[in-house]
Amino acid sequence: GQSLEQPSEVTAVEGAIVQINCTYQTSGFYGLSWYQQHDGGAPTFLSYNALDGLEETGRFSSFLSRSDSYGYLLLQELQMKDSASYFCAVKWYSSASKIIFGSGTRLSIRP
Amino acid sequence: DAGVIQSPRHEVTEMGQEVTLRCKPISGHDYLFWYRQTMMRGLELLIYFNNNVPIDDSGMPEDRFSAKMPNASFSTLKIQPSEPRDSAVYFCASSLGDRDNSPLHFGNGTRLTVT
Repeated sequence: GQSLEQPSEVTAVEGAIVQINCTYQTSGFYGLSWYQQHDGGAPTFLSYNALDGLEETGRFSSFLSRSDSYGYLLLQELQMKDSASYFCAVKWYSSASKIIFGSGTRLSIRP
Repeated sequence: DAGVIQSPRHEVTEMGQEVTLRCKPISGHDYLFWYRQTMMRGLELLIYFNNNVPIDDSGMPEDRFSAKMPNASFSTLKIQPSEPRDSAVYFCASSLGDRDNSPLHFGNGTRLTVT
């Protein structure tokens, strides 16, 4: 169906690299977006993949593979401030301008 | 750019009362979305507007919920009567255009508690 699945929680160490996956069953969407949300805050846009491949923005990279039905967000050189929830989101072809979010992954970073 | 502005930030009300949440989108943005966030259901799209016209309200949970956008700079989400299960954080977001990569800009949300 039209849903996005993410791990509920991920824990990593400061300075390390972490990958947050987003999987789906139906690939009929325009592109895959990622949003970050700190506790008590609002989601903020991080990145967008229209095509398969890797998009890099500083310490954050996002990847999409439509043939493998998944994408991921890669965070490098983790900092304590990266502790937040991360959501993937898509705009399905069948849903016009509706932007649907995944279940979210809570990233906890240890010193 | 002041961003998307929502009010109030917090709302505590008793079951059965009417609640009105307000949103001012970013000037020039032609899409406005209302989302609800809970631990159990995550971020749910309730309704969205294009050029002040409601396009899809299929996410509105029931008739107790209604939303309006009387002009390009103001939208309301009303719950009447409110119930404890409506307790959640309600976000308003706006975007410019309908391009595939148009990001959503979220307001700070309204935390609603219904007792």
